[in-house]
Amino acid sequence: AQKVTQAQTEISVVEKEDVTLDCVYETRDTTYYLFWYKQPPSGELVFLIRRNSFDEQNEISGRYSWNFQKSTSSFNFTITASQVVDSAVYFCALSEAMNSGGYQKVTFGTGTKLQVIP
Amino acid sequence: DVKVTQSSRYLVKRTGEKVFLECVQDMDHENMFWYRQDPGLGLRLIYFSYDVKMKEKGDIPEGYSVSREKKERFSLILESASTNQTSMYLCASSLEKEAAGELFFGEGSRLTVL
Repeated sequence: AQKVTQAQTEISVVEKEDVTLDCVYETRDTTYYLFWYKQPPSGELVFLIRRNSFDEQNEISGRYSWNFQKSTSSFNFTITASQVVDSAVYFCALSEAMNSGGYQKVTFGTGTKLQVIP
Repeated sequence: DVKVTQSSRYLVKRTGEKVFLECVQDMDHENMFWYRQDPGLGLRLIYFSYDVKMKEKGDIPEGYSVSREKKERFSLILESASTNQTSMYLCASSLEKEAAGELFFGEGSRLTVL
């Protein structure tokens, strides 16, 4: 069965500090996708990144970077030089195609609430 | 821009009432999902649908049903609302049948059952 674990419930950092959000997943499939979503205080979840199971290259987008390691089933998210606008709840998610029918089931972690203090 | 619209932002219902939560997407997406979000529990999948009239149970389907008569509309039904169904309900859609599709979310419907 799919499972996503985000062990950090809440994190507080001072502005300009770096912060890493952890995500560990479980799956029996060899083909799957991993995602990160951001939920700002306004409430609507926003897509940040997608990674497929065959691509372990790390990715950087501005102040955001992601480290995917299949050996440890982890997909961690680092924010460099955090800003107040980064304050949000961040969700990691695992997506698999079900029953050879190709349809998509997406399982989310419990989320990590990040507070960036000015 | 993709738009996922949930019909009601806030609802207050009484125990035993039948509740309909409506969701409409305007980008011809194949897949649609209903999640509930509760503090400390994250997003939990209730039901999802990958085609018109097709539905699959998620991880917590008990007490819920769904309807997808048209591709753009996915409804969540609480046949007899109970207080433990007080929650934030999130609808989402994705384009691709395979697992790669990113989800687009609505703003959520906060349901309170008294």
